[in-house]
Amino acid sequence: DIQMTQSPSSMSVSLGDTVTITCRASQDVGIYVNWFQQKPGKSPRRMIYRATNLADGVPSRFSGSRSGSDYSLTISSLESEDVADYHCLQYDEYPRTFGGGTKLELK
Amino acid sequence: QVNLLQSGAALVKPGASVKLSCKASGYTFTDYYIHWVKQSHGKSLEWIGYINPNSGYTNYNEKFKSKATLTVDKSTNTAYMELSRLTSEDSATYYCTRGGVYWGQGVMVTVSS
Repeated sequence: DIQMTQSPSSMSVSLGDTVTITCRASQDVGIYVNWFQQKPGKSPRRMIYRATNLADGVPSRFSGSRSGSDYSLTISSLESEDVADYHCLQYDEYPRTFGGGTKLELK
Repeated sequence: QVNLLQSGAALVKPGASVKLSCKASGYTFTDYYIHWVKQSHGKSLEWIGYINPNSGYTNYNEKFKSKATLTVDKSTNTAYMELSRLTSEDSATYYCTRGGVYWGQGVMVTVSS
């Protein structure tokens, strides 16, 4: 199975910060990485698809990038509504595999 | 609008089975796979498998092959996941999702005597 190693597992942040979360894939998954946001008690929400594409309705302060086997989600100028858990997912191969998740917490 | 409505929370005894439902509306049910995802409390997401509602073809994560059984009822646009021989390790929230874009609200399964 493809491993998605996500870092950091948690992050203490301040409003207005630029935040970057990274997933490293254990083998080539091409562009087939999604990023999800999840708030407590809620279902995941797709934020980024195919590594770099902003999903419908997602604010432009969110962006996705790829460098080799490293995939990153960046949130520019963090707002309070962005404080949540974030998960990456590879969907190049089955079984689909998620990263371990990143929890953003306000300082 | 696309909606996936999951059945309510379940409290089940160890060793028993439970069948979760996911009723789809707002689109042609047979046009899209339904995937199931497990989230243990406060932890990461795990992909269980998917079913093609048109053909009934299933693809399981090896880890869940002896645990989960995916089926559909095309007459009611409903996907089901049955979990068998439940243990405390199966206590979690389970989601159905269409392509990672549309998600059910999740159902919490608690395994306890």
